[in-house]
Amino acid sequence: DGGITQSPKYLFRKEGQNVTLSCEQNLNHDAMYWYRQDPGQGLRLIYYSQIVNDFQKGDIAEGYSVSREKKESFPLTVTSAQKNPTAFYLCASSSLAGEEDTQYFGPGTRLTVL
Amino acid sequence: AQKVTQAQTEISVVEKEDVTLDCVYETRDTTYYLFWYKQPPSGELVFLIRRNSFDEQNEISGRYSWNFQKSTSSFNFTITASQVVDSAVYFCALSGPFGNEKLTFGTGTRLTIIP
Repeated sequence: DGGITQSPKYLFRKEGQNVTLSCEQNLNHDAMYWYRQDPGQGLRLIYYSQIVNDFQKGDIAEGYSVSREKKESFPLTVTSAQKNPTAFYLCASSSLAGEEDTQYFGPGTRLTVL
Repeated sequence: AQKVTQAQTEISVVEKEDVTLDCVYETRDTTYYLFWYKQPPSGELVFLIRRNSFDEQNEISGRYSWNFQKSTSSFNFTITASQVVDSAVYFCALSGPFGNEKLTFGTGTRLTIIP
């Protein structure tokens, strides 16, 4: 089945540790995105990538890093510099196919900092 | 700058009632795209609809319908004969002229359908 997978579903981290969230898609989409969702708020864009080996900062990139070494994969690292990392993280992808392009989302990873 | 406002934070209705979720947007782009997503308790965002700013026709899909009015910058979503499975958080979102850039989301409306 085609889709977007994120792992793990739940992640616990101690303060001061870096942690990497996985996002994989088998939809052959060119673009991939990372959003953060806090309780009672909408989603905010962290990073996005429209082509392998290239990515751009979104609205809240500080304290995060990404890589795009393969078209299918767009991992997000939450570094110790991120002051309030506890949140729900959603990965999305889209085809960049013009009129019918739409972002589709994965199931999300809930990160809790202890 | 783009902005999406969903003024209704929470709505509760009894099953089988109709319910309308409001969405008001702001943008300086002449071409833009509007979206609705559903977020059930599992957390995944489910795509519902995408609408081009040049297409002001209302759309109906089963029990769902959307009313796009450029004059009032609104893109409202109506569920007819609501069901318990419709309980979720619904997000309205806006993107720029290419439709695949950053999505600007509203804060969402939590809809609870009471059996």
